[in-house]
Amino acid sequence: GDSVTQMEGPVTLSEEAFLTINCTYTATGYPSLFWYVQYPGEGLQLLLKATKADDKGSNKGFEATYRKETTSFHLEKGSVQVSDSAVYFCALHLYAGGTSYGKLTFGQGTILTVHP
Amino acid sequence: EAQVTQNPRYLITVTGKKLTVTCSQNMNHEYMSWYRQDPGLGLRQIYYSMNVEVTDKGDVPEGYKVSRKEKRNFPLILESPSPNQTSLYFCASSLLAGGFGNEQFFGPGTRLTVL
Repeated sequence: GDSVTQMEGPVTLSEEAFLTINCTYTATGYPSLFWYVQYPGEGLQLLLKATKADDKGSNKGFEATYRKETTSFHLEKGSVQVSDSAVYFCALHLYAGGTSYGKLTFGQGTILTVHP
Repeated sequence: EAQVTQNPRYLITVTGKKLTVTCSQNMNHEYMSWYRQDPGLGLRQIYYSMNVEVTDKGDVPEGYKVSRKEKRNFPLILESPSPNQTSLYFCASSLLAGGFGNEQFFGPGTRLTVL
């Protein structure tokens, strides 16, 4: 079945450090890919997305590129801030036309802590 | 403000005592879904609904029920809760079920503890 694998955390960085969170996927078709962020005590928010190969999603200084050849969607940010401390989830949605039911398949989540 | 609301946010209960977690969205979305979040497992889908009166099982439906009598509401029912249902629950909605890059909007979560 479809699956998403994220790098194991937790990840601890100093402010202004470079961030990479790895994400790879397995899917029977051609999925859309997402990064969601969960701040402490809150629900998930969409951070960025990409719907086709070589698309780059970006938001709030975060970027991720849809790499079909390596089945990856790694999240990067050049300079993290304390306010970026959160749990980050990689997810895929496989649209199968009439049989699609909108399920997001999530990775296990990566906890990011940024220290001043 | 466009949002998904859940109630209660926190609930401690005992084994076997029926409970309902409510979910409501004000965005006129057709698709709604329930997920549970457990450490190391990410989020897993429990049930989903394509539209009013249309519901179906997700990956982990055992021990749960849902109903969709109105477009905006999608309650999650635990008829006889057990300790293995202790988890963090999220309701989500999206305009449609399909389509490429269709964003899902999540509620704030309900932390349930079953003793």
